[in-house]
Amino acid sequence: EAQVTQNPRYLITVTGKKLTVTCSQNMNHEYMSWYRQDPGLGLRQIYYSMNVEVTDKGDVPEGYKVSRKEKRNFPLILESPSPNQTSLYFCASSGRPVSLYGYTFGSGTRLTVV
Amino acid sequence: KQEVTQIPAALSVPEGENLVLNCSFTDSAIYNLQWFRQDPGKGLTSLLLIQSSQREQTSGRLNASLDKSSGRSTLYIAASQPGDSATYLCAVKEDVAGGTSYGKLTFGQGTILTVHP
Repeated sequence: EAQVTQNPRYLITVTGKKLTVTCSQNMNHEYMSWYRQDPGLGLRQIYYSMNVEVTDKGDVPEGYKVSRKEKRNFPLILESPSPNQTSLYFCASSGRPVSLYGYTFGSGTRLTVV
Repeated sequence: KQEVTQIPAALSVPEGENLVLNCSFTDSAIYNLQWFRQDPGKGLTSLLLIQSSQREQTSGRLNASLDKSSGRSTLYIAASQPGDSATYLCAVKEDVAGGTSYGKLTFGQGTILTVHP
């Protein structure tokens, strides 16, 4: 089944403790992206990647890092999480050309930073 | 900067009713527009994808239209059912042309739909 898989689904952590949210897709998509969803603010793009070793900032990149060492994986790294990063996170991927394809989203990771 | 607006913010209808959800966007330089469904606390399920060159797409009881020049899209749901209750999100994929927003999706705030028996 074609899908985007995120782990974990739920995570509670303490301020400052580094964490990684994993994202993997099995569709051989080149384009991957991370979004966060907050009440009243909607979905906003954090980072995206056009291909292996090619990443760039989205609208709200502060406090996050990403890497794209393999085509299928695109982990989101929070080096020193803070309470304002409490949110629902989504990973998404899209086929190429980007102009023609829609997005497939993962099931989401609900992160709470205390 | 692209802005996407969805009206109404919430809608409650009796089962069986036909309904229309509206989406508008400020910049017509888009590749495509995608409608998603989101159940509470869950992920986004893609419903329909309309390319910028298309006028509409249909899937079962759903029909989405796109008027790119006026910056509008509508999602029509026929014969609504309680199982249709969810948040419906509209998102546009921006045209790359010289910009840094390569393939970025810009979302509306969503319409919360409740269909009661």
